[in-house]
Amino acid sequence: DADVTQTPRNRITKTGKRIMLECSQTKGHDRMYWYRQDPGLGLRLIYYSFDVKDINKGEISDGYSVSRQAQAKFSLSLESAIPNQTALYFCAVRTGWNTEAFFGQGTRLTVV
Amino acid sequence: GQNIDQPTEMTATEGAIVQINCTYQTSGFNGLFWYQQHAGEAPTFLSYNVLDGLEEKGRFSSFLSRSKGYSYLLLKELQMKDSDSYLCAAYRGTYKYIFGTGTRLKVLA
Repeated sequence: DADVTQTPRNRITKTGKRIMLECSQTKGHDRMYWYRQDPGLGLRLIYYSFDVKDINKGEISDGYSVSRQAQAKFSLSLESAIPNQTALYFCAVRTGWNTEAFFGQGTRLTVV
Repeated sequence: GQNIDQPTEMTATEGAIVQINCTYQTSGFNGLFWYQQHAGEAPTFLSYNVLDGLEEKGRFSSFLSRSKGYSYLLLKELQMKDSDSYLCAAYRGTYKYIFGTGTRLKVLA
């Protein structure tokens, strides 16, 4: 277990607002990921990072940005939220290349 | 989505056996993961297959056929608490983990 913590757990925000979702982990793993989950679409990768100086776009990065402030912290920002960014967001960590993911509890974001 | 498919919903009876299938595109394939997810909560890891064959973990087993691009999760002695979604995910190297949309399993008394 990697003890992955996400804040906030739930958030309602207005269109056009900037919002940050935070993720921290206690085990010092290098690989951190941000996913969003939508009904009928499964988990899709937004951004991933393999260390503090390594940030990479995933398949749906438009409208999002990230910051790896420390090995243990990986934040996701929506610079100007729009309603179709309403989703369940998960942070995850992995210990290696072909290993299982440990997920945070999720953040349910609603953009109105 | 993205060439990994699993049924949307399945129903089974308490005490029975259920098999949840997952098919995936074989190009670049390096491993297959199964996760369990309660509605609105974090997925949790169940099993991993990289070689052909069956991996058994108590009531849960997972099978892989690399040549056929096919995996299944087998749940035995079903319990009501097994009513959840089950996600398969194919690993295709580096950061590419492609998740299926999940199968919602309902276990009936």
